Amino acid sequence: GEDVEQSLFLSVREGDSSVINCTYTDSSSTYLYWYKQEPGAGLQLLTYIFSNMDMKQDQRLTVLLNKKDKHLSLRIADTQTGDSAIYFCAEMNAGNMLTFGGGTRLMVKP
Amino acid sequence: DVKVTQSSRYLVKRTGEKVFLECVQDMDHENMFWYRQDPGLGLRLIYFSYDVKMKEKGDIPEGYSVSREKKERFSLILESASTNQTSMYLCASSLPQGALDTQYFGPGTRLTVL
Repeated sequence: GEDVEQSLFLSVREGDSSVINCTYTDSSSTYLYWYKQEPGAGLQLLTYIFSNMDMKQDQRLTVLLNKKDKHLSLRIADTQTGDSAIYFCAEMNAGNMLTFGGGTRLMVKP
Repeated sequence: DVKVTQSSRYLVKRTGEKVFLECVQDMDHENMFWYRQDPGLGLRLIYFSYDVKMKEKGDIPEGYSVSREKKERFSLILESASTNQTSMYLCASSLPQGALDTQYFGPGTRLTVL
């Protein structure tokens, strides 16, 4: 079956850039997503990228996709303490079902 | 804005009790989903429904059942709760748009089974 993997934890200083990485195995992925979960809250869709794109930029967020290596990353520029959260990547397969990674906890230190 | 609500934020039940988790969405979405979230495991799909009275098993349906009697409401049922069902439960809904089936999530219900 499909597998999506992320590192568990990332710590950065306020103002630095954060890069959260994700790898997946399903070669039939159509869309790839990044969700953010703040403490005590549900998941909030941050951004997504179509599988035939290699980059998408949205304000402080940059998504890079290397389809050959099945590697997805989320870069947050000028990271703020309010960016502290758990970030999930997810891939959508040809059957329109989502498979989520385990989540990366981002801690931003002042 | 899409709104997905869940009946309880926190719930404590005893082993063997029957538990109902309710989810309501207000955007006339056809698809609804129940996930459980456990540390390090991400979100795992329990059941989903693509129409009223229709349901499909997800990756971990054992010990759970669901009900979709109305389009806006999707219920998750634990017939006899067990301690290994202590978890965060997340409901989501989406409008079928081909490949762009963006899912919108509720705030979650943290269930503890003693």
